Amino acid sequence: EIVLTQSPGTLSLSPGERVTLSCRASQTVPSNSLAWYQQKPGQPPSLLFYGESGRATGTPDRFRASGSGTDFTLSISRLEPEDLAIYYCQQYHNSPGTFGQGTKVEI
Amino acid sequence: QVQLQESGPGLVKPSETLSLTCSVSDGSISDPFYWGWIRQPPGKGPEWIGSFYRSGSTQYNPAFKSRATISRDTSRSYFSLRLTSVTAADTAVYYCAKTGVRCTSASCALYVPYFYSYVDVWGKGIMVTVSS
Repeated sequence: EIVLTQSPGTLSLSPGERVTLSCRASQTVPSNSLAWYQQKPGQPPSLLFYGESGRATGTPDRFRASGSGTDFTLSISRLEPEDLAIYYCQQYHNSPGTFGQGTKVEI
Repeated sequence: QVQLQESGPGLVKPSETLSLTCSVSDGSISDPFYWGWIRQPPGKGPEWIGSFYRSGSTQYNPAFKSRATISRDTSRSYFSLRLTSVTAADTAVYYCAKTGVRCTSASCALYVPYFYSYVDVWGKGIMVTVSS
């Protein structure tokens, strides 16, 4: 099973700041088999990015996903108050697909 | 866009069986996607339980060994989860899910990673507590 480790655990930032979230895999994951989600309080996760370059409908342009191999990054160019959430990465290269433990972004 | 809605008891006693149902609207489990269950313990990341393809092929996360069973009723467009011998560790929010990977060939219907692929539609979730 591939373990995904996300860092940091929590980020406390101000609106307008740039945010960089890390997701590190215990084995190589093809970039076409990694996804990112945003989970706001009391809601299910919502898909942000998937596959090689898939951007889910409604994902704001200030969000960007990148990375390869074992290191992946989700960045937010200018933090908005509505970006308060927990962000998860997920791999679906190996069975069973696994999720990271999440990074909480506080504003 | 397809919508999913979980239903079932919010409290289950230890050693008993957890049973949940997912109702599908504005879509069908006969559509060429994978459908399944994901859970999220309090304060933790999500975890796949298992999923199925319209052909009936089903995959389960080995972490659930033989405790989990997913069944489906195509005519009524719903699917269900049974999880036996529950303990407090099974306390979680349970989500039904549809994956975004579209599969229209016999070969991809057997490609195991697709059963755990990215989720583009989630139910709202149901909190299930295991306690006596």
